[in-house]
Amino acid sequence: QKEVEQNSGPLSVPEGAIASLNCTYSDRGSQSFFWYRQYSGKSPELIMSIYSNGDKEDGRFTAQLNKASQYVSLLIRDSQPSDSATYLCAAEVGGTGRRALTFGSGTRLQVQP
Amino acid sequence: GAGVSQSPSNKVTEKGKDVELRCDPISGHTALYWYRQSLGQGLEFLIYFQGNSAPDKSGLPSDRFSAERTGGSVSTLTIQRTQQEDSAVYLCASSSNTDTQYFGPGTRLTVL
Repeated sequence: QKEVEQNSGPLSVPEGAIASLNCTYSDRGSQSFFWYRQYSGKSPELIMSIYSNGDKEDGRFTAQLNKASQYVSLLIRDSQPSDSATYLCAAEVGGTGRRALTFGSGTRLQVQP
Repeated sequence: GAGVSQSPSNKVTEKGKDVELRCDPISGHTALYWYRQSLGQGLEFLIYFQGNSAPDKSGLPSDRFSAERTGGSVSTLTIQRTQQEDSAVYLCASSSNTDTQYFGPGTRLTVL
């Protein structure tokens, strides 16, 4: 079992719809979770970080964390074609002090105009 | 301000040759990370430097890989006797005391 798992997609949604991206992780000790967006041929850029159970909202983005279910999600409201990219879920794995991230393989999102 | 920079942006080498990849972190960032990303895959952790502490080398795939960070700033990732499976994009990231890691543009390594 991979430590961080994502559906590879592609996830296709129409412009203006809500895109829902999901991620599960295996290390119950993980405390910090991140969503990165990566355009083709570019490096990842941070979209959201989340540390506590519940929802965290930033503009059109909402991250959700459920530690009991070991589940992280990212909702993108009013999806735009410019949101089309690969979304990488990442978790700090291996206990405190080990700040390196373990990434999922990414979900490719396509927003259809 | 300046972000993380990496050089070269592209490197083509022959199997068996050694290569050096360079990373310049954001000024003042104490933590520096190396990852690699193979085609269509997520990022794979390689090595992590934090201040003057011993680096976390747990992600290095073989003893052909090594990295150093001089003066707490610039880092060099060295791959000896390159193999075709080493072909990937090598990404460097840095962070301050927060969790946020800022990535450089990467070095695309192609081993022929």
